[in-house]
Amino acid sequence: SAVISQKPSRDICQRGTSLTIQCQVDSQVTMMFWYRQQPGQSLTLIATANQGSEATYESGFVIDKFPISRPNLTFSTLTVSNMSPEDSSIYLCSVGWMRGSNYGYTFGSGTRLTVV
Amino acid sequence: GENVEQHPSTLSVQEGDSAVIKCTYSDSASNYFPWYKQELGKGPQLIIDIRSNVGEKKDQRIAVTLNKTAKHFSLHITETQPEDSAVYFCAASAGMDSSYKLIFGSGTRLLVRP
Repeated sequence: SAVISQKPSRDICQRGTSLTIQCQVDSQVTMMFWYRQQPGQSLTLIATANQGSEATYESGFVIDKFPISRPNLTFSTLTVSNMSPEDSSIYLCSVGWMRGSNYGYTFGSGTRLTVV
Repeated sequence: GENVEQHPSTLSVQEGDSAVIKCTYSDSASNYFPWYKQELGKGPQLIIDIRSNVGEKKDQRIAVTLNKTAKHFSLHITETQPEDSAVYFCAASAGMDSSYKLIFGSGTRLLVRP
């Protein structure tokens, strides 16, 4: 399965600033996703990163707050904009793979963000 | 959209005993059901998955069962060891019917007491 490199692994940021998280995959993948995991909680899907077009956001998440880029089939970025302490979470990149009629998912190790 | 419910939220077992975690899903189109283990400070790691064309799958001490009629699936860990202590998440996907979105349950914190 694909190997995901996610950077940074952690960061402490000042409120009002923005952070861009990078997700690099070692092979071309069709599906890339971004998740948020708030402290002690489960994973919530933020958006599907679409190559060459705008990301598809889930209810409760908007492009102005979480702009996403996906310039090619191996790379995506998620920006957390105008941060507040409520944005303190783990942000995870995930890719979907397909083999014939089967499919599955792989996750990066995550970016642990603390906003002060 | 899909909704996945997971129980229990916490589970404490004695080393060597079995642990069972249960999930239900709402979307009858869901056809892929993975289980992830997440240790502190790490991303989720796939431990086993099952597709809708089978009812049970086993990998050493870990097994998963699927009941499509009742829309529930379960994770079974036998002969538990302290290193099994972690948070476990179930998830479900309806593939192309859901744009391949993977929806997670709320998680179960498993503690294996030595």
